[in-house]
Amino acid sequence: KQEVTQIPAALSVPEGENLVLNCSFTDSAIYNLQWFRQDPGKGLTSLLLIQSSQREQTSGRLNASLDKSSGRSTLYIAASQPGDSATYLCAVRGTYKYIFGTGTRLKVLA
Amino acid sequence: NAGVTQTPKFQVLKTGQSMTLQCAQDMNHNSMYWYRQDPGMGLRLIYYSASEGTTDKGEVPNGYNVSRLNKREFSLRLESAAPSQTSVYFCASSEPTTQYFGPGTRLTVL
Repeated sequence: KQEVTQIPAALSVPEGENLVLNCSFTDSAIYNLQWFRQDPGKGLTSLLLIQSSQREQTSGRLNASLDKSSGRSTLYIAASQPGDSATYLCAVRGTYKYIFGTGTRLKVLA
Repeated sequence: NAGVTQTPKFQVLKTGQSMTLQCAQDMNHNSMYWYRQDPGMGLRLIYYSASEGTTDKGEVPNGYNVSRLNKREFSLRLESAAPSQTSVYFCASSEPTTQYFGPGTRLTVL
């Protein structure tokens, strides 16, 4: 059974810092891995999707990497801003189903 | 394009009452999903529908039923609500890659 873990559960950093969020999964037979952002009281917004054949994806200040063999993904946020404060979730996709991690709650201090 | 819409946004029920959560998507996606999100638990899949006319159980289907009314609509029914079903419910739809989420329904069962 696929299990997805995100560490740390919460993180506070000063504005301007580069930071890394971690996601690990137990079954490497995945179709893709997706990183989402969730603001308090809101739905999920897709940030980056990495197909199983890819190693990384970039969008602006965000870079996500995938190492299927070790069951790990990282989300790198460069030059963090207070507007980046949110919960970040990763999800891995099997045939039809997505399994989510419990998220990392990020606070960027001005 | 409205994306994924959910109604209602908020609902309070008494134990034993029934209700249906509605979800619709206008992106012509085949797959649709219902999740619940509880503090510290991440998103857990209740039911999903890989295509019109098919539905399958996810991780936590007990106490719920679903109907894939047509390609656009996927409803979630609580036949006899229990306090343990207090949660935020998200509907999502997906193409083969990215998953898109609705804004959520915040349900409280007293």
